Amino acid sequence: ETGVTQTPRHLVMGMTNKKSLKCEQHLGHNAMYWYKQSAKKPLELMFVYNFKEQTENNSVPSRFSPECPNSSHLFLHLHTLQPEDSALYLCASSQEGRTQYFGPGTRLTVL
Amino acid sequence: GDSVTQMEGPVTLSEEAFLTINCTYTATGYPSLFWYVQYPGEGLQLLLKATKADDKGSNKGFEATYRKETTSFHLEKGSVQVSDSAVYFCALKESAGGTSYGKLTFGQGTILTVHP
Repeated sequence: ETGVTQTPRHLVMGMTNKKSLKCEQHLGHNAMYWYKQSAKKPLELMFVYNFKEQTENNSVPSRFSPECPNSSHLFLHLHTLQPEDSALYLCASSQEGRTQYFGPGTRLTVL
Repeated sequence: GDSVTQMEGPVTLSEEAFLTINCTYTATGYPSLFWYVQYPGEGLQLLLKATKADDKGSNKGFEATYRKETTSFHLEKGSVQVSDSAVYFCALKESAGGTSYGKLTFGQGTILTVHP
């Protein structure tokens, strides 16, 4: 599904770095999501934005800070991460609460 | 809360074999049900979906029927190919009017490997 793009595809960072993940959707949707996919665990919903307003925060640590400047773009700002935060971070979008379409993900490694 | 349980993997099959991946769910109301597929190194792709009881979703030779009486949504394919090797995720989305807007609840995923 090329309607949702994510950059970078791979990211390696130290625990003291600050970095950002970017997601862009070209589907005209009004809701966007961040998920975390760790090895041997189900996908975990992190944040939901509906019409640019955050409607869900699934008890995510404050070292993850989302930003949704408009309905087409979603960022995840990362600061002072831990090695256990290494995972595949997936972005998705939907029209209202309907079917979600996913991007290819960013593979994050925290050293 | 809502939950999805998939059969344990990995599943290893020979080409042209019949595939079944079991999925059962627990939910209040009338959720929508989905199967997503994740090929190596990629994100999730929607494979098929069903929005009400007895609906059958189908795509690329895969099928799944929404069975409310058994709370199941098993994925089947009559003849698998090597290119079907991937991780398959069953998921549900609570019905409209729920408190979690568009929230998907996923199973743990089932790894499928198809050998020539």
